[in-house]
Amino acid sequence: AQTVTQSQPEMSVQEAETVTLSCTYDTSESDYYLFWYKQPPSRQMILVIRQEAYKQQNATENRFSVNFQKAAKSFSLKISDSQLGDAAMYFCAYRRYYSRDDKIIFGKGTRLHILP
Amino acid sequence: GAVVSQHPSWVICKSGTSVKIECRSLDFQATTMFWYRQFPKQSLMLMATSNEGSKATYEQGVEKDKFLINHASLTLSTLTVTSAHPEDSSFYICSAHYYYEQYFGPGTRLTVT
Repeated sequence: AQTVTQSQPEMSVQEAETVTLSCTYDTSESDYYLFWYKQPPSRQMILVIRQEAYKQQNATENRFSVNFQKAAKSFSLKISDSQLGDAAMYFCAYRRYYSRDDKIIFGKGTRLHILP
Repeated sequence: GAVVSQHPSWVICKSGTSVKIECRSLDFQATTMFWYRQFPKQSLMLMATSNEGSKATYEQGVEKDKFLINHASLTLSTLTVTSAHPEDSSFYICSAHYYYEQYFGPGTRLTVT
């Protein structure tokens, strides 16, 4: 069975600095998606970034980038120039590639605090 | 595009009554929708996968008779919590599949008194 592990329940970072959130996963599949979702206090789930496992290039979205290490089954999120609006719960997630109906498996989340 | 709505956003009901939560895909058709439950400060727990025109697939440990899911059209799935009790109080989130993405609704807070 696939699992997603986030070992940092909470993290803090000074505004304008860089922070990295860690995630590891376990799967026997070779093709899959990995995601980082943000859940702010409104509790609306927001997709931050997506990585297809077959792509070697790390995904980037503005200030957000990932370090995808397929062999190590590691998928960390780097947030550069942290802003107050980045304060939220961040979930690492996995989904198999083949079936569009397949469920997303979420990690337990990391609560990120931004210090002004 | 790809907006998912939920109604109501917050509902309070008395113990023993049933409550229905709607999940709609507003600008796309979704053959598959998912229902999650989230306790405070915890992750999302998948309850069931809802496919249009067929019975929902429930995750292990989720009571089918308590959490009735109906996906009657390509834009609407409903979750009915039957004979609700205080322990059913939680935040319920739906998502809809569209072009290999899942789009999440804003969630429904259920409080059972």
